[in-house]
Amino acid sequence: QKEVEQDPGPLSVPEGAIVSLNCTYSNSAFQYFMWYRQYSRKGPELLMYTYSSGNKEDGRFTAQVDKSSKYISLFIRDSQPSDSATYLCAMTFTGGGNKLTFGTGTQLKVEL
Amino acid sequence: GAVVSQHPSWVICKSGTSVKIECRSLDFQATTMFWYRQFPKQSLMLMATSNEGSKATYEQGVEKDKFLINHASLTLSTLTVTSAHPEDSSFYICSARGSTQRNTEAFFGQGTRLTVV
Repeated sequence: QKEVEQDPGPLSVPEGAIVSLNCTYSNSAFQYFMWYRQYSRKGPELLMYTYSSGNKEDGRFTAQVDKSSKYISLFIRDSQPSDSATYLCAMTFTGGGNKLTFGTGTQLKVEL
Repeated sequence: GAVVSQHPSWVICKSGTSVKIECRSLDFQATTMFWYRQFPKQSLMLMATSNEGSKATYEQGVEKDKFLINHASLTLSTLTVTSAHPEDSSFYICSARGSTQRNTEAFFGQGTRLTVV
């Protein structure tokens, strides 16, 4: 079993839809949770950074962490074609060498 | 702020030759740099971690004599793929973290697509 599981998609939605992206993990030590956006042939770009459980909102993006269920989510409201990319979840913990463990990424396509 | 530049963005080389990839932090001092490898539709796999002025720490299964990492300054790290073979073809990405960033946060370069023919 992988430490971090993420549905690879592809996920196709119409413009304006609400998108829900999810990851599950097995290591209860993870404390810090991140979402990255990666366009084709580019490096990942940090979107959201969350510590422990709870919600965090930034514009059209909302990140949720449920540590009791070992489940994290990223919601994108009013999705735009420019949101089409691969979304990677990542997590780490203090004392783990601060190394990031990534999910495989979910490919999202927002269609006009 | 927190811009990381990686060069080249793509390279094609002949089997048996060596290729050097550069990773630069443009507006901060990168005390730690990470090198990743990514296969199509797969996750980023950490290859090694390097701290400025120290030898790199390689992940299990990564050949340190094949993937030479140098982090000689606070703004530059290089990855050299020695005696490259077609199976080394992949997308290589660096990330960097400075002393002013959260110790769990790092910023990524644009990546380098290596093709060995």
